[in-house]
Amino acid sequence: EVQLVESGGGLVQPGRSLRLSCAASGFTFDDYAMHWVRQAPGKGLEWVSGISWNSGSIGYADSVKGRFTISRDNAKNSLYLQMNSLRAEDMALYYCAKGAGGNYLEYWGQGTLVTVSS
Amino acid sequence: AIQLTQSPSSLSASVGDRVTITCRASQGISSALAWYQQKPGKAPKLLIYDASSLESGVPSRFSGSGSGTDFTLTISSLQPEDFATYYCQQFNSYPHTFGQGTRLEIK
Repeated sequence: EVQLVESGGGLVQPGRSLRLSCAASGFTFDDYAMHWVRQAPGKGLEWVSGISWNSGSIGYADSVKGRFTISRDNAKNSLYLQMNSLRAEDMALYYCAKGAGGNYLEYWGQGTLVTVSS
Repeated sequence: AIQLTQSPSSLSASVGDRVTITCRASQGISSALAWYQQKPGKAPKLLIYDASSLESGVPSRFSGSGSGTDFTLTISSLQPEDFATYYCQQFNSYPHTFGQGTRLEIK
């Protein structure tokens, strides 16, 4: 059974940093791309970032480019999102998702909540 | 970035109705489109990938079609459990993007 468990969310002040983690199990992690998607309270889904199986291809939403960094550790079956210079508009539930095929999102975690407030 | 525009933004329908949601891309994306269903308080669930392929375990009343810039999600006969919000997503090129969502409500 595929499991994706996000952690690292919490309350952070504007301008500060936070690192999210996603622990994956139930599949061969280093065979698949992985992604982060977020959802602000009461809003729609926003794709944040994606990384290929070998970290050779990485993409970011324009809204986070230059502030967020995605990475993975295949030995630890883990995905990360380093979030710097956080803003109020970054406040959201952050989902980790497993890519498949052409990079559609086959499985999703339950999310970790990031609150940005002074 | 490629923009996806879903229509309608919300829809009221009855059990048994046939419903169609459209998704238009600002530029051609071949068949690199997926549809997701999200219920309140839950993570999204994949329904359709590659524009028209039904994800394993998803009821056959769901179908997708289209290529290039125009896509549709059709639910042939609405069931009570289908009332949710639906999103399209393009994965043709980075940054991947979602449509704004279509909220399907009970009439």
